[in-house]
Amino acid sequence: GAVVSQHPSWVICKSGTSVKIECRSLDFQATTMFWYRQFPKQSLMLMATSNEGSKATYEQGVEKDKFLINHASLTLSTLTVTSAHPEDSSFYICSARGGGVDYNEQFFGPGTRLTVL
Amino acid sequence: AQTVTQSQPEMSVQEAETVTLSCTYDTSESNYYLFWYKQPPSRQMILVIRQEAYKQQNATENRFSVNFQKAAKSFSLKISDSQLGDTAMYFCAFMVNTDKLIFGTGTRLQVFP
Repeated sequence: GAVVSQHPSWVICKSGTSVKIECRSLDFQATTMFWYRQFPKQSLMLMATSNEGSKATYEQGVEKDKFLINHASLTLSTLTVTSAHPEDSSFYICSARGGGVDYNEQFFGPGTRLTVL
Repeated sequence: AQTVTQSQPEMSVQEAETVTLSCTYDTSESNYYLFWYKQPPSRQMILVIRQEAYKQQNATENRFSVNFQKAAKSFSLKISDSQLGDTAMYFCAFMVNTDKLIFGTGTRLQVFP
């Protein structure tokens, strides 16, 4: 199946700094990418949907100025957590969807654990 | 609003036995897709099985099968011959018209030897 990578897998940063997380589709062109947040022992919460070359669509309650999403190419989307605070500590997961027969399927990255001190 | 409900926070089963995880959903749409995802301790989301709402036949993938009851808006997952590697969180998910996935709260499955 299609492979999605995320980098880094784990990041620790100081409060007030910004952190960038990359999501790449390795063997297919991702027309749409999704960013999720998952707290311990909870479900995935969709943060935003991004289409290549256009602005991301954020879910209600997600601060677009805090969580900057850029989908600059068909294989790369980035999530930047600006001025991170301890409450931003979480597990962030991206998924990607391409064209073709499996358009309805999302392929998930392995996730990034963010710890803000 | 479209919602997905998983009423079993935790389940356990003995190795080689069969277990069924429940999922119900609410929508007014007629064309949609249902999924079961597995999230093992590594936290990598893995697609287990998928069902298109317009298909009456229940989907099957090896030891995994679903019981899709469209009128009742129910989509349960049956795992046969449970294996230790099946231990994971299982999420039921729903998607309308290739839009976003809506996840349930998950069921933690523990397989005992």
